[in-house]
Amino acid sequence: DTAVSQTPKYLVTQMGNDKSIKCEQNLGHDTMYWYKQDSKKFLKIMFSYNNKELIINETVPNRFSPKSPDKAHLNLHINSLELGDSAVYFCASGGSPGHYGYTFGSGTRLTVV
Amino acid sequence: QQQVKQSPQSLIVQKGGISIINCAYENTAFDYFPWYQQFPGKGPALLIAIRPDVSEKKEGRFTISFNKSAKQFSLHIMDSQPGDSATYFCAASIVGYGNKLVFGAGTILRVKS
Repeated sequence: DTAVSQTPKYLVTQMGNDKSIKCEQNLGHDTMYWYKQDSKKFLKIMFSYNNKELIINETVPNRFSPKSPDKAHLNLHINSLELGDSAVYFCASGGSPGHYGYTFGSGTRLTVV
Repeated sequence: QQQVKQSPQSLIVQKGGISIINCAYENTAFDYFPWYQQFPGKGPALLIAIRPDVSEKKEGRFTISFNKSAKQFSLHIMDSQPGDSATYFCAASIVGYGNKLVFGAGTILRVKS
């Protein structure tokens, strides 16, 4: 039973399109995150939600909008996709007392053409 | 501003040897220092972590050494195996609400058999 699951695993789309990535965790953690891993493998935080409340919003274009319907789900919607959005997007959960480390999903490889 | 600097970028070690990866941080408020292991096509997985109240933590073949005064920490992999070949990331965070992990740039480790 996957702890943090993301869908889809691969996403190929044209510039200007809108797309969503879904994430679900069954670990009971209160906090969830979106990270972006670029072509050089650098991992950078984008957003964090704690129990459905947005608590971290890094300098990310407002074309990216996270949504957390409940504490087990965190989705990422991206409008007007650009070539530079191509990357691997990871969802993670954790960061709570007793579990400061994150559990990452397997990632969504987004390719904008 | 790169808050966590990681070196080397890549490392080749013979099977049975010791792999050493180093990280340095700038923010003295950081109080949680994990290491993650990432295989191709997978999300980063928590390997081992340390808090600044101890100078060393060992789990199996993996050891973290922590030097608070120098603001440095390192990962030692003893008896390195080909299966250890992966990308390793150090990270740091301030434990608390949000617990945002800041990652180093990663080290690609290859263990030659």
